[in-house]
Amino acid sequence: DQQVKQNSPSLSVQEGRISILNCDYTNSMFDYFLWYKKYPAEGPTFLISISSIKDKNEDGRFTVFLNKSAKHLSLHIVPSQPGDSAVYFCAAADIKAAGNKLTFGGGTRVLVKP
Amino acid sequence: DTGVSQDPRHKITKRGQNVTFRCDPISEHNRLYWYRQTLGQGPEFLTYFQNEAQLEKSRLLSDRFSAERPKGSFSTLEIQRTEQGDSAMYLCASSLDAGSSYNSPLHFGNGTRLTVT
Repeated sequence: DQQVKQNSPSLSVQEGRISILNCDYTNSMFDYFLWYKKYPAEGPTFLISISSIKDKNEDGRFTVFLNKSAKHLSLHIVPSQPGDSAVYFCAAADIKAAGNKLTFGGGTRVLVKP
Repeated sequence: DTGVSQDPRHKITKRGQNVTFRCDPISEHNRLYWYRQTLGQGPEFLTYFQNEAQLEKSRLLSDRFSAERPKGSFSTLEIQRTEQGDSAMYLCASSLDAGSSYNSPLHFGNGTRLTVT
C-alpha cells in the first residue's frame, strides 16, 4: 500500500529551464510534506517543506505547491542547474501522531543537461 | 562535521551471519530513526527512539532485527541470521523534538550498505 507516490521515475531538463516534480498521497491524515534530495552514496538531504495550512512555500530556486483537495504536491526548481542532478524524494508525515515518522515516495531521478 | 554518522559504510556478509551497524546522531537531537532503502525505492521506516526509549517499530522489523539506544546518544541496529532479502541500504536519521507543533526535518546519515551473499 503506497501512501506516497511519485509516478515519474525520471526527468530530464535543460540547464536554466524549470524542473517540475510531482507527488501524490492517499492518506488524508498527512499534514506535513517534505522534499529530500539524494546524491549517489550519500543520505537524503532535506530541501524544503510545507505544512497543510499553506498552499505554497518558497526557498530560493525551490518552490513547493500543495493542493490538499487533490492530495497532490509538486516541487518546482527554477532555474535548473547541473548540480541539481540527483534523486528527489517526496515525504509526508502526520504531525499529530507521535514520532514525526516520514513516509517516502519512490523518488524521481532528475538529470539537468548543460 | 556535526552531521549524522554511520559505521560501517559497507558490509558484506554471508547468509546466516549476524551484523551490527552503528549510528551517531547530531548531538542535540533527541529522536533517532532507522530506515531501510532498497534499489529503486524510497526509504522505509523501521523504528524510532525518543531519547533511549524505542517508541515504535514497523512490521518490517522482524524478530531477527533489534535496535538499541542505551544512553540516548548513539544507536545500534543488529540483524541476526541474515538473509539475502536483508540486502539494502540502512539509513539512520535524527531530529529534535522541541515539543511544539513544528516538525523538525529528519537529518540523514550516509547509510550502511549491506550485501548478504
